[in-house]
Amino acid sequence: DVKVTQSSRYLVKRTGEKVFLECVQDMDHENMFWYRQDPGLGLRLIYFSYDVKMKEKGDIPEGYSVSREKKERFSLILESASTNQTSMYLCASSWGTEAYYGYTFGSGTRLTVV
Amino acid sequence: DAKTTQPPSMDCAEGRAANLPCNHSTISGNEYVYWYRQIHSQGPQYIIHGLKNNETNEMASLIITEDRKSSTLILPHATLRDTAVYYCIAVSNAGGTSYGKLTFGQGTILTVHP
Repeated sequence: DVKVTQSSRYLVKRTGEKVFLECVQDMDHENMFWYRQDPGLGLRLIYFSYDVKMKEKGDIPEGYSVSREKKERFSLILESASTNQTSMYLCASSWGTEAYYGYTFGSGTRLTVV
Repeated sequence: DAKTTQPPSMDCAEGRAANLPCNHSTISGNEYVYWYRQIHSQGPQYIIHGLKNNETNEMASLIITEDRKSSTLILPHATLRDTAVYYCIAVSNAGGTSYGKLTFGQGTILTVHP
């Protein structure tokens, strides 16, 4: 069964900490995405990557960075966590960048910044 | 992408078919109909998609009307684990326009009862 695995289901971090969220996929997909999901705001794209070491900003990149050193792994970095970054973070992968390829999501990481 | 309209909630008895409707009256010829679902506190899960023809996979069937203005997702034998929010979205295959764009509306909360 194909999978997107996010390293943590729940995280609690302190304001100002550097936070790493890890995502690994086993489908040999070239494209990977990071979203956050908040009540009433739906899914918002933070960053995506269409190849190793390649990245593109999504709709809300501020306060975040990403790393894609290997095809199967896409990391989201919160450089200095703030309380407004408390959210559900979702990683996804796909054969293509376009939404019509369909995306496979991980189970999500619920991050709380205190 | 075309706007979609779904009922806010539906109930279904376990073992019975669940039929989830979706209206997309402004859908254009190059837009696919996609269905995802999201079980509480998990990432969205792709279910099925179609353009013109009816589609079936191991999870569900998708019936698209001839004029493509509406569709129905059918879960043939609903189980308690099918309780989730179901999202119907229209996604263009025009290229260069829908990268990472998954605009979920409110969806339909399907509750499967014992």
